[in-house]
Amino acid sequence: DAGVTQSPTHLIKTRGQHVTLRCSPISGHKSVSWYQQVLGQGPQFIFQYYEKEERGRGNFPDRFSARQFPNYSSELNVNALLLGDSALYLCASSPRVQAYNEQFFGPGTRLTVL
Amino acid sequence: AQSVSQHNHHVILSEAASLELGCNYSYGGTVNLFWYVQYPGQHLQLLLKYFSGDPLVKGIKGFEAEFIKSKFSFNLRKPSVQWSDTAEYFCAVIDTGTASKLTFGTGTRLQVTL
Repeated sequence: DAGVTQSPTHLIKTRGQHVTLRCSPISGHKSVSWYQQVLGQGPQFIFQYYEKEERGRGNFPDRFSARQFPNYSSELNVNALLLGDSALYLCASSPRVQAYNEQFFGPGTRLTVL
Repeated sequence: AQSVSQHNHHVILSEAASLELGCNYSYGGTVNLFWYVQYPGQHLQLLLKYFSGDPLVKGIKGFEAEFIKSKFSFNLRKPSVQWSDTAEYFCAVIDTGTASKLTFGTGTRLQVTL
């Protein structure tokens, strides 16, 4: 079975631009969470979506938004990029909304903002 | 807000040495605890988890962790490390009240030398 997939693998943007990152969860998983991992730090929670509804939001500015589609895939959008948005963006899926269910992580999208 | 502290940022051990990585969390309520591992070039994957019951939990590849509620700790141990254990290790906690997000520590980079 395929694991969590994310696209693109790497991305280079300039300040002020917009970016869209994509995630496909494991088949049958209805919950998708997004995390930001800055170099040298642990992942930080951004959003959780379950059944197309936002179920949790971390301490990130409104420039960050996300959505989940009927097939449970998800997009993370970041507007007005800043240098500090450079990070590895991780997507994790789980079968149910409660995060204490094991979350399966994808390989991440490495975003570099110049 | 809950937080997780991992005091060892970089640990270097020789093969066959014993390992103990510290993890402390700040939340006083009911929590679920996890250790995730990230091998070089690979996804984050679950090493072990504690929900309830026996405070000594065993995970994959010979790892174990002990939950000590009075000390707010969940230290990871392995009696004899191997070169293949070289990786970054993350402790994470979920507040069962919010249940929607994992809070990660900053990680410990383990380097095992031959």
